[in-house]
Amino acid sequence: GAGVSQSPSNKVTEKGKDVELRCDPISGHTALYWYRQSLGQGLEFLIYFQGNSAPDKSGLPSDRFSAERTGGSVSTLTIQRTQQEDSAVYLCASSKDRVGKAFFGQGTRLTVV
Amino acid sequence: DQQVKQNSPSLSVQEGRISILNCDYTNSMFDYFLWYKKYPAEGPTFLISISSIKDKNEDGRFTVFLNKSAKHLSLHIVPSQPGDSAVYFCAASARGGYQKVTFGIGTKLQVIP
Repeated sequence: GAGVSQSPSNKVTEKGKDVELRCDPISGHTALYWYRQSLGQGLEFLIYFQGNSAPDKSGLPSDRFSAERTGGSVSTLTIQRTQQEDSAVYLCASSKDRVGKAFFGQGTRLTVV
Repeated sequence: DQQVKQNSPSLSVQEGRISILNCDYTNSMFDYFLWYKKYPAEGPTFLISISSIKDKNEDGRFTVFLNKSAKHLSLHIVPSQPGDSAVYFCAASARGGYQKVTFGIGTKLQVIP
C-alpha cells in the first residue's frame, strides 16, 4: 500500500501477557518511529530507527519494551508482561532520509485488562 | 527534557476568526519545523512545514511563522472552520544530522460554529 500500515488496529490483552505490534512503513523510507499516546496525553517518543544505524531507544519506558526492524523495513514493537499503564494508542511513522516529514499509520489501540 | 514545547493544551476559537497555535523549541540545531493535525482515532497527518531559511510559509488558510532568534514558531489558521477542530502537534528536526523528528505534546483546537 501507499501509506504506513499498522496491525492489529485494536488489541485487548490480559495483564502479564506479551504483545507484538507490527508496522509496515512506506517503501523506501529509511527512518521509522514508534510513539504512543495515552488517554489525554501527547505524543510520547519511544524508539527511532534510521537506516543501518543503531536505533535511538531513549524513549522506551522500561526494559519490558523492545523493538526490531528487520531488513530495514517492517518493525515489531514488543511489550512483555503488559501492565495496565501500557494501555495507549501506539503510533508508527516513517520518513525519507534527510526529509523531516513523517507519515503516520492509523495506530494500534492497546488495552490491557 | 521537552525540546519542543506547546504550552497551551487547548484553544477555543469562533468560526471565521483566526486561530493561533504557538510552539517553542530549545534545540538550536533544529532547522526544519512541521505541524501535524490529528483527529480522534486517526494517526497524525502532515499539515505544513517550514525550513529555517524562511520566516514564513503559507498554504491556503494555513500559515506558519518562524522566529529563529526567539526559537518560536506559530501556526495561523484563517478563517477557522469547525472541521479544523483537532489536536495540532508541532515538530522539529535537524536535517543535517540524525533526522529524528521531535514532537510537542499538542494543542487541542476547538472551532465553535
